[in-house]
Amino acid sequence: EVQLVESGGDLVQPGGSLRLSCSASGFTFTEYAMHWVRQAPGKGLEYVSGISSNGGNTYYTDSAKDRFTISRDNSRNTLYLQMTSLRPDDTALYYCVKDRVPYGSNSYYFDYWGQGAPVTVSS
Amino acid sequence: DIQMTQSPSSVSASVGDRVTITCRASHGIIDWLGWYQQKPGKAPKLLIHGAFNLHSGIPSRFSGSGSGTDFTLTISSLQAEDFAIYYCQQTSTFPPTFGQGTRLENK
Repeated sequence: EVQLVESGGDLVQPGGSLRLSCSASGFTFTEYAMHWVRQAPGKGLEYVSGISSNGGNTYYTDSAKDRFTISRDNSRNTLYLQMTSLRPDDTALYYCVKDRVPYGSNSYYFDYWGQGAPVTVSS
Repeated sequence: DIQMTQSPSSVSASVGDRVTITCRASHGIIDWLGWYQQKPGKAPKLLIHGAFNLHSGIPSRFSGSGSGTDFTLTISSLQAEDFAIYYCQQTSTFPPTFGQGTRLENK
């Protein structure tokens, strides 16, 4: 059974930093690109960032670029999102999601989602 | 970024009804279109990819169609467990973007 378990969500002040982690199991982690998608309270879904299966390529939306860093440790089956210079509009539930297609071709269809890590940016 | 617009924003229906939700892309996306279902307090679930391909384990009452800029999700006979919010998503151009969601409510 595929499981994605996020951790690290917290309340942080504007300008602060936070690192989210996602522990993956139930599939061959090294074969799949992984992504972060967020959902602000009561709002829709917004793609944040992605990383290729071997970690060699990373992808960011304009809002995440220069502030967030995605990484992965394939030896630990873990995905990370380092967030800096956090703003109130970064407040959201951050989902770790698995790409549907293996072997280096990012489909950007997300077939498994974690339960989400809540991030609140407020003073 | 490609904008995805869903209609209606909400729809009321009864068990057994046929329900159709539409999604329009601001630019042509061929058939790079997915549909997700989200229930309250839960993560979204992939229903359809590639405009019409049913994801593994999804009941056949769900179907998708369309190409270019206009797409539809159809539930042929609504079941009680289908009341949820539905999102379309384009994967044609980075970044992938989602529609604003359609809330399917019990009439």
